[in-house]
Amino acid sequence: NFMLTQPHSVSESPGKTVTISCTGSSGSVASNYVQWYQQRPGSAPTTVIYEDKQRPSGVPDRFSGSIDSSSNSASLTISGLKTEDEADYYCQSYDSSNHVVFGGGTKLTVL
Amino acid sequence: EVQLVESGGGLVKPGGSLRLSCAASGFSFNNAWMNWVRQAPGKALEWVGRSKSKSEGGTTDYAAPVKGRFTISRGDSKNTLFLQMNSLKTEDTAVYYCTTPLTGTPGYWGRGTLVTVSS
Repeated sequence: NFMLTQPHSVSESPGKTVTISCTGSSGSVASNYVQWYQQRPGSAPTTVIYEDKQRPSGVPDRFSGSIDSSSNSASLTISGLKTEDEADYYCQSYDSSNHVVFGGGTKLTVL
Repeated sequence: EVQLVESGGGLVKPGGSLRLSCAASGFSFNNAWMNWVRQAPGKALEWVGRSKSKSEGGTTDYAAPVKGRFTISRGDSKNTLFLQMNSLKTEDTAVYYCTTPLTGTPGYWGRGTLVTVSS
């Protein structure tokens, strides 16, 4: 079964840059689009990156997405960190049957 | 404006049944793939199942933990997605979200509905 692995948690200081990785267990992460969701406590997830690197309107350009085929991984990079960025982040893609697959989520702490 | 509004959650005993609804508006529901995703308390997001559009066969697929117990259906004339949940277990306790990917868009999520399975 295709799985996506994320670090359980990351922390960084305000104003700094943080990168959250999302590594595919098999096949190629580059074969299907990757989405990234931000989820604050008590709220539904919201999309911060879709189709690998597209940013929805309203999401600041401090958020960016990329794919690294050599490591079979996707990454979400947040620059100029703000305390409001503190949240859980999930990557999502698809397996060979086009079933949705989520990563285990990463808790971002901005301190 | 795309809207997805879930309803039907509540408290149910183990072994019981519940039917969730998702009212969709603001897009062509008949041509959209629809997913159910759940999140147990303090846990990660988990895909539950999917309904393809009728134009692409209208087939459904399910995650292993719910296969044979949950059924997804759609009322295209009313732009509504359903999730029939039978033989519920305590581990099915979660917030259930209705989502649609809509190619070329960020995708859309509802606010979710809470299902609690407890005696």
